[in-house]
Amino acid sequence: GESVGLHLPTLSVQEGDNSIINCAYSNSASDYFIWYKQESGKGPQFIIDIRSNMDKRQGQRVTVLLNKTVKHLSLQIAATQPGDSAVYFCAETPAGTYKYIFGTGTRLKVLA
Amino acid sequence: NAGVTQTPKFQVLKTGQSMTLQCAQDMNHEYMSWYRQDPGMGLRLIHYSVGAGITDQGEVPNGYNVSRSTTEDFPLRLLSAAPSQTSVYFCASSQDRRPDPNSPLHFGNGTRLTVT
Repeated sequence: GESVGLHLPTLSVQEGDNSIINCAYSNSASDYFIWYKQESGKGPQFIIDIRSNMDKRQGQRVTVLLNKTVKHLSLQIAATQPGDSAVYFCAETPAGTYKYIFGTGTRLKVLA
Repeated sequence: NAGVTQTPKFQVLKTGQSMTLQCAQDMNHEYMSWYRQDPGMGLRLIHYSVGAGITDQGEVPNGYNVSRSTTEDFPLRLLSAAPSQTSVYFCASSQDRRPDPNSPLHFGNGTRLTVT
């Protein structure tokens, strides 16, 4: 919702451009990572995930890149559309646990 | 297929009042959980359940109770509301407790709670 986004970093992109949203994760033992999209007034929605034995995974218009050396995850959205405007956040799961650790998110604004 | 349904969408309480946030899922998921979402913070786990009759505490359980009498329902109770419990609450479910590509976490649309 709007109140959750008050303190979020914002990425503004032109419609049709590619977007790159970054996430620094905290636990070097994490072995599974997920990107979520959250539209205003709605719950988080699964976008794409990746296991730690991969460094890249592609979906429809989205690509997730994983750099374990620097504990960095990125989400690339091709040909960004107005419907992509939302808050995006990553989640990590440390190996051997059942726990999700959620990031705080980045707001993506698509400019017409 | 409704997925995860939360009610109510909005609620205002006075300090000390009690209430129950409802969560139901129709996907026959074993795992259900409650999170709260606050500005500047990631989702934090309150309580979770790995099946009917089984519940356990998450990261921030104080002030909240849960029960799981059926597979479908997982209500969250605030016994004596405090302003610190002002937040957006999300219920989530998955087939398996273990985070896994074959068992993604499905979220409801949230309950926005304000405690005055």
